[in-house]
Amino acid sequence: KAGVTQTPRYLIKTRGQQVTLSCSPISGHRSVSWYQQTPGQGLQFLFEYFSETQRNKGNFPGRFSGRQFSNSRSEMNVSTLELGDSALYLCASSPGPASGRNYGYTFGSGTRLTVV
Amino acid sequence: EDKVVQSPLSLVVHEGDTVTLNCSYEVTNFRSLLWYKQEKKAPTFLFMLTSSGIEKKSGRLSSILDKKELFSILNITATQTGDSAVYLCAVNSGGSNYKLTFGKGTLLTVNP
Repeated sequence: KAGVTQTPRYLIKTRGQQVTLSCSPISGHRSVSWYQQTPGQGLQFLFEYFSETQRNKGNFPGRFSGRQFSNSRSEMNVSTLELGDSALYLCASSPGPASGRNYGYTFGSGTRLTVV
Repeated sequence: EDKVVQSPLSLVVHEGDTVTLNCSYEVTNFRSLLWYKQEKKAPTFLFMLTSSGIEKKSGRLSSILDKKELFSILNITATQTGDSAVYLCAVNSGGSNYKLTFGKGTLLTVNP
């Protein structure tokens, strides 16, 4: 079955602009979470969505936002881009909680965002 | 705040060597510990550990969890150049967190 699809693969934006990244989870998966990966900080949690509801948010400024659609696809948006937002943005898909079960996370290949 | 620490941060070995990567954690509401391998972009799943003392094995890779001492190890035997990658340890703290907390990773370089 198809994996997690993230688009676009690469983006170059100018400071002050905004950007929207997309993530299509594995078919049947209802949870999508987003992570920012930088050389200095490693992978950091941005937010998680399940059934169109944000259930948790990491320690990022309000310029970072997201949403999930009824088909479980998710988008994240970064407004007023700063140079420090340059990073690999990864999305992870999982089935979502099932009573008494642990579930794994499958990652997409990411979107490489460069802010100049 | 949840915390995951991996050691060493980098490691250089020769093909055929055996390596042990370490991961310690301090989290609330531990649910599972996961190991991933990241070569270029997408971290690829290796193991998920939930119970202490039960070794998970896949080919030359194995991992075990100690929930009392709050750590896990990932062993790779008879290393190959294709094992060169960043190995990431993450903890799912469950509860209402719904997130993975990652360590900084171990960069493994296997030389021929």
